[in-house]
Amino acid sequence: AQSVTQLDSHVSVSEGTPVLLRCNYSSSYSPSLFWYVQHPNKGLQLLLKYTSAATLVKGINGFEAEFKKSETSFHLTKPSAHMSDAAEYFCVVSRPAGNNRKLIWGLGTSLAVNP
Amino acid sequence: GAGVSQSPSNKVTEKGKDVELRCDPISGHTALYWYRQRLGQGLEFLIYFQGNSAPDKSGLPSDRFSAERTGESVSTLTIQRTQQEDSAVYLCASSQRGEGEQFFGPGTRLTVL
Repeated sequence: AQSVTQLDSHVSVSEGTPVLLRCNYSSSYSPSLFWYVQHPNKGLQLLLKYTSAATLVKGINGFEAEFKKSETSFHLTKPSAHMSDAAEYFCVVSRPAGNNRKLIWGLGTSLAVNP
Repeated sequence: GAGVSQSPSNKVTEKGKDVELRCDPISGHTALYWYRQRLGQGLEFLIYFQGNSAPDKSGLPSDRFSAERTGESVSTLTIQRTQQEDSAVYLCASSQRGEGEQFFGPGTRLTVL
């Protein structure tokens, strides 16, 4: 069975400091992995995705994530947090289901950025 | 280009009433998903449509929930005899065939009194 675990339900950082949002996955095959962001009162937006190409994936707004198969991790990082980064972040793993493809969502990590 | 649209944006209903939520996917996207997001929770998969294949209904929580899709266009999610625990944001997403990236609509916030 496939699953995804976001290790922190809430992360608080100061503006200008690094961001680390942790995600571990479980999959019986090579998965595709995604990070989505949800700002208050806005729709979900794709930050970045890993689909078996380069293990270090760069996304929008300065975020990046590294796929580490040995650790079954796909942590999201950003060198310097901005106030506008405050949002809910979701780690997602894809799995095939018959001839369909379905995403398995983590429970989310709420990122707060303090001035 | 137009993104995924959903209507209504907000719906308040009384317990026991039926509601119908609508989703217009991005043109050309063959896959369409419905999710439920309760307050402070992650997304809960409800149902998935892919082209003309039989829909994956494995996420529907009860037989009060149903969804239809006309070809590769509009989809409606119907909740019959609504209960207070149905209160949530219902999100629709679409994607191109065989590609995992999903594009989300703004959601419909359902409140059951």
